[in-house]
Amino acid sequence: GNSVTQMEGPVTLSEEAFLTINCTYTATGYPSLFWYVQYPGEGLQLLLKATKADDKGSNKGFEATYRKETTSFHLEKGSVQVSDSAVYFCAQSSGGYNKLIFGAGTRLAVHP
Amino acid sequence: DTGVSQDPRHKITKRGQNVTFRCDPISEHNRLYWYRQTLGQGPEFLTYFQNEAQLEKSRLLSDRFSAERPKGSFSTLEIQRTEQGDSAMYLCASTLSGTGAYEQYFGPGTRLTVT
Repeated sequence: GNSVTQMEGPVTLSEEAFLTINCTYTATGYPSLFWYVQYPGEGLQLLLKATKADDKGSNKGFEATYRKETTSFHLEKGSVQVSDSAVYFCAQSSGGYNKLIFGAGTRLAVHP
Repeated sequence: DTGVSQDPRHKITKRGQNVTFRCDPISEHNRLYWYRQTLGQGPEFLTYFQNEAQLEKSRLLSDRFSAERPKGSFSTLEIQRTEQGDSAMYLCASTLSGTGAYEQYFGPGTRLTVT
């Protein structure tokens, strides 16, 4: 069945470091791909999305490119801030009703 | 637009009791989803409504679980005879069909603890 696998955390970085969180997926067909973020004490928020191969989603300095050949959607940011500390979830939409299939989440901790 | 709201935010119940959660989606959204998230995991799909019709249910949704969306607006999720394994965060999300990638907007969740 369809699934999403993302790198285990926690990821601990110093402020202004480069961030990569790996995400790969298995799917029949070509799902839309998403990154959601969950800040401490808050609900899930959509960070960025991509709907077809080679699309690049971007928001708040974060980017991810839909790579069909490697079935990947890695999240990157050039310079992280303490305020980026959160749990990041990679997800794909699945089926006719577009339910989301999530990865297990990756906790990011950024220190000053 | 006040976003998706859920009530209550926290619920502690004893094993064997029934609980009911409510979700109010964004007002014009016709699609509504319920997910369950356990500690350290990503959310898992439970069920989906388009307007008032429940169109898909996960195998995770045992017979003790029932969900309704009677007028195509708010939804309720009831768990009967709760078990300790039901302890989780229950998330509701909504979206509007015909909006491309169907981004789902999530509520803050209801955290259930079964003692």
